[in-house]
Amino acid sequence: KQEVAQIPAALSVPEGENLVLNCSFTDSAIYNLQWFRQDPGKGLTSLLLIQSSQREQTSGRLNASLDKSSGRSTLYIAASQPGDSATYLCAVRPVSGGNKLVFGAGTILRVKS
Amino acid sequence: KAGVTQTPRYLIKTRGQQVTLSCSPISGHRSVSWYQQTPGQGLQFLFEYFSETQRNKGNFPGRFSGRQFSNSRSEMNVSTLELGDSALYLCASSLGLAGALNTEAFFGQGTRLTVV
Repeated sequence: KQEVAQIPAALSVPEGENLVLNCSFTDSAIYNLQWFRQDPGKGLTSLLLIQSSQREQTSGRLNASLDKSSGRSTLYIAASQPGDSATYLCAVRPVSGGNKLVFGAGTILRVKS
Repeated sequence: KAGVTQTPRYLIKTRGQQVTLSCSPISGHRSVSWYQQTPGQGLQFLFEYFSETQRNKGNFPGRFSGRQFSNSRSEMNVSTLELGDSALYLCASSLGLAGALNTEAFFGQGTRLTVV
């Protein structure tokens, strides 16, 4: 059974810092991995999708890496801003699960101004 | 291009009642998945539909059911509501089937269901 863990559970940083969020998964048989952000009471916004054959993806100040063999992904946020404050969720799409996503519990990020 | 639309946004129901939630995927997307989000359990997969066929089902009781129409719109139904069904229900749409490159999931704003 695929399980996804995210560390840390919560993070508070001053504005301008670079930060790293971690995601690990137990089964390397995945199609891809997707990072989302969720604002309180809202839906999920897709940030980055990394296919299983890729090592990293970049979008603006965000960079996500994937090491499928070790079951790890990191989301790097450069020059953090108060508007980055949200919950960040990592999800994998198992090969055995169709389009089903298995989510981690998320990292709650607070960027202080 | 419109995103994923879920209706209603908020719903209050009484124990024992039933409820139907609706999801309209992004135009052209044929895969629709449903998730339940609670503070204790996080995001849990309910089911997935592609071209009107249920492709995958999560570990939820039979009170939870769904369907997909020919225009890809989907509905989920919960019968005999329990207090524990209170949650944010999220719908996601994807263009293609798993294994293809176009499976990025896009989520709606969710329906907040409160059972009293």
